[in-house]
Amino acid sequence: RKEVEQDPGPFNVPEGATVAFNCTYSNSASQSFFWYRQDCRKEPKLLMSVYSSGNEDGRFTAQLNRASQYISLLIRDSKLSDSATYLCVVNRGFQKLVFGTGTRLLVSP
Amino acid sequence: GAGVSQSPRYKVAKRGQDVALRCDPISGHVSLFWYQQALGQGPEFLTYFQNEAQLDKSGLPSDRFFAERPEGSVSTLKIQRTQQEDSAVYLCASSSLDWGLRGATSGYTFGSGTRLTVV
Repeated sequence: RKEVEQDPGPFNVPEGATVAFNCTYSNSASQSFFWYRQDCRKEPKLLMSVYSSGNEDGRFTAQLNRASQYISLLIRDSKLSDSATYLCVVNRGFQKLVFGTGTRLLVSP
Repeated sequence: GAGVSQSPRYKVAKRGQDVALRCDPISGHVSLFWYQQALGQGPEFLTYFQNEAQLDKSGLPSDRFFAERPEGSVSTLKIQRTQQEDSAVYLCASSSLDWGLRGATSGYTFGSGTRLTVV
């Protein structure tokens, strides 16, 4: 079993839709959490950090449930430019980040 | 520089050939990481440097893989006797955080990667 699990998708949604991605992690000692975005043939880029209290950045909302070891990302009012792969990322407190395989989102007109 | 720079952008190697991949981190960044990303997968950790010290090389898949950062800035990832399973994108990232002391509370910035194809 992978340490960080994500549904690979793809999630196909129309413009303006709300879409949610989930992620689970297996190591309860994990200390910090992130969502990265990766466009086709590009490097991953930090989208947002994820906090237990939940945090929002414009149309994006991230939530962390430490008890269930579960992370979510909600995207409201989807844009064509949101089409990408979204990587769930966990830091175990050592010097490396552990990435999920990513969830692919396709937003259509 | 303004960002993390990696070269070459693309590399085609014949099986058995040695390759060297270069990473120029953001100026002054203490921490440097190498990751390997196979097609359809997330990046997988290879190794970590804090300045010139290689503090973690647990992700290097075999003794054919070797990384160095002799002066605490530019890093080179070397792969000897390349095999087809080495084909992947090799990503370098750097961070200003001294993760050994403060722990990681934010992500870090990746370079554009080197796409290695072994034929």
